Amino acid sequence: DAGVIQSPRHEVTEMGQEVTLRCKPISGHNSLFWYRQTMMRGLELLIYFNNNVPIDDSGMPEDRFSAKMPNASFSTLKIQPSEPRDSAVYFCATSRGGTTGELFFGEGSRLTVL
Amino acid sequence: RKEVEQDPGPFNVPEGATVAFNCTYSNSASQSFFWYRQDCRKEPKLLMSVYSSGNEDGRFTAQLNRASQYISLLIRDSKLSDSATYLCVVNRPSKSTFGDGTTLTVKP
Repeated sequence: DAGVIQSPRHEVTEMGQEVTLRCKPISGHNSLFWYRQTMMRGLELLIYFNNNVPIDDSGMPEDRFSAKMPNASFSTLKIQPSEPRDSAVYFCATSRGGTTGELFFGEGSRLTVL
Repeated sequence: RKEVEQDPGPFNVPEGATVAFNCTYSNSASQSFFWYRQDCRKEPKLLMSVYSSGNEDGRFTAQLNRASQYISLLIRDSKLSDSATYLCVVNRPSKSTFGDGTTLTVKP
């Protein structure tokens, strides 16, 4: 089985540009999580979807960040406009059911905002 | 105070040493607990689940103490390949919280 697939793996952009990160979950996993990892703040949960519905978005930093899950096989995390402090590795993770089971992570999208 | 607090490390140990990490959590409604391993510039991967009765997998032992609200990971006879960052995870309904991670370096 394919794991969680994220794209792009690396992105370098300039401040003010729009960034869209994509995630394809493992088939059959109905929970999807977006995390951000930096040296300073560690691994932070941004948003959690269950059955395509956002359950907890309290970790989304501000209005510049938005996430969607239009169907069970695709999710996006968008930053508009991007700022240098958004530079981080963004991970998508999925699970079979909620927050109580094993999380399977994608390889991450490494974002650098200049 | 953070919901999950973890030994900051780093831990630098010789091959063959025994090393233990601890992680404390503040929310008594927490229901499930895990240890993940993250190699440099890679994604976290599940190492093992943590149960009140203890969980052993080869050289690795994980333990949960609900009364004191902490979990632990013991690595015996450490190998060079154990060098990584170890993250504890504490889950409750609609919330999955990672510790900041403890970095382990095993030296020859």
